[in-house]
Amino acid sequence: AQSVTQLGSHVSVSEGALVLLRCNYSSSVPPYLFWYVQYPNQGLQLLLKYTSAATLVKGINGFEAEFKKSETSFHLTKPSAHMSDAAEYFCAVSFSSGGSYIPTFGRGTSLIVHP
Amino acid sequence: KAGVTQTPRYLIKTRGQQVTLSCSPISGHRSVSWYQQTPGQGLQFLFEYFSETQRNKGNFPGRFSGRQFSNSRSEMNVSTLELGDSALYLCASSPPGTGVGELFFGEGSRLTVL
Repeated sequence: AQSVTQLGSHVSVSEGALVLLRCNYSSSVPPYLFWYVQYPNQGLQLLLKYTSAATLVKGINGFEAEFKKSETSFHLTKPSAHMSDAAEYFCAVSFSSGGSYIPTFGRGTSLIVHP
Repeated sequence: KAGVTQTPRYLIKTRGQQVTLSCSPISGHRSVSWYQQTPGQGLQFLFEYFSETQRNKGNFPGRFSGRQFSNSRSEMNVSTLELGDSALYLCASSPPGTGVGELFFGEGSRLTVL
């Protein structure tokens, strides 16, 4: 069965510092991987996705993630944090079921950005 | 292009009542999924509809049901509400042809059960 583990329910960084949000997955088949962001009182928005093309994936708002098969990881990074990056981030892995792909989400990591 | 629209945004019910939530997907999206989000359990998959057929179902009791109409709009219903049903219910639609689970979410319907 596929699963996702996000290490750290909260990550705190200073504005301008590197952002690193960790995600490890478990999948018996090549996975499709996603990062979503959720701002307060809003739904989730897709940041980026890995679909077996380039292992380094660039997304919106300056975020990127690298797929490392040997480490079963898909960590999210951003070189310099902005106050506006404060939000909840979710890693997800999707698998085929009944003719469609159903994402399974991690528990989320709350990113706190200090001035 | 308009995003996924969910109504109502907020609602309060009492135990034992039932509730219906509505979702209009992005134009052209035929797949609609529903998720329940709570602080304790995170995001949990409820069900997915495609062309008016339930294609996948999560591990929820039969009190949770849904349907999809010919215009791809979807509704979910929760009967005999329990306190534990208090949650943010998120609807998401998927674009045709991607086939890998990319979701476009609405802002959710926040249900409070008293």
